[in-house]
Amino acid sequence: GAVVSQHPSRVICKSGTSVKIECRSLDFQATTMFWYRQFPKQSLMLMATSNEGSKATYEQGVEKDKFLINHASLTLSTLTVTSAHPEDSSFYICSATSTDYSNQPQHFGDGTRLSIL
Amino acid sequence: KQEVTQIPAALSVPEGENLVLNCSFTDSAIYNLQWFRQDPGKGLTSLLLIQSSQREQTSGRLNASLDKSSGRSTLYIAASQPGDSATYLCAFFNDMRFGAGTRLTVKP
Repeated sequence: GAVVSQHPSRVICKSGTSVKIECRSLDFQATTMFWYRQFPKQSLMLMATSNEGSKATYEQGVEKDKFLINHASLTLSTLTVTSAHPEDSSFYICSATSTDYSNQPQHFGDGTRLSIL
Repeated sequence: KQEVTQIPAALSVPEGENLVLNCSFTDSAIYNLQWFRQDPGKGLTSLLLIQSSQREQTSGRLNASLDKSSGRSTLYIAASQPGDSATYLCAFFNDMRFGAGTRLTVKP
């Protein structure tokens, strides 16, 4: 099946650091990628939708200047958490799909656990 | 916006038992529904995708149904195994809404 690779799997860094998370589709062209955030024992919350070659669409309440998303190719999207603070600590997961995502399954990465000290 | 509820929040069963996980939703104008499993600290593994026009999908020991009129989907797991222990999530891809999940434990 389709594989989505997310890197790094875990990041621990100091407050004020910017952290970049990569999401790659390994065997298909991902026209759309999604970024989610998951707090402990809670479900996934969509942060933004990323379409290749265009600006990301952010969900209400998500700061676009805080969470920078770039989808420069059909196989790679990046999420950069800028000037991270302890409240940004969370589990971040990406998913990818090809063509019309209303008719295709979502394929998820293994997630990145971000811990800000 | 779509509201998604999964019941029960947690379930513990002995190995070999058949079980049903429930997912209810408020907006029947959905594109599709997808069931996932999530192992602790991991991403999501897709189990079954049901298109809006479909009523059920089957894969191995798993069967998922969709009833838009009642706003419900169920995931049926036959002959459960300890390896089935995980959190199961349902999600709708109009607006990427996930349920909070059912944490399943299958005891040997």
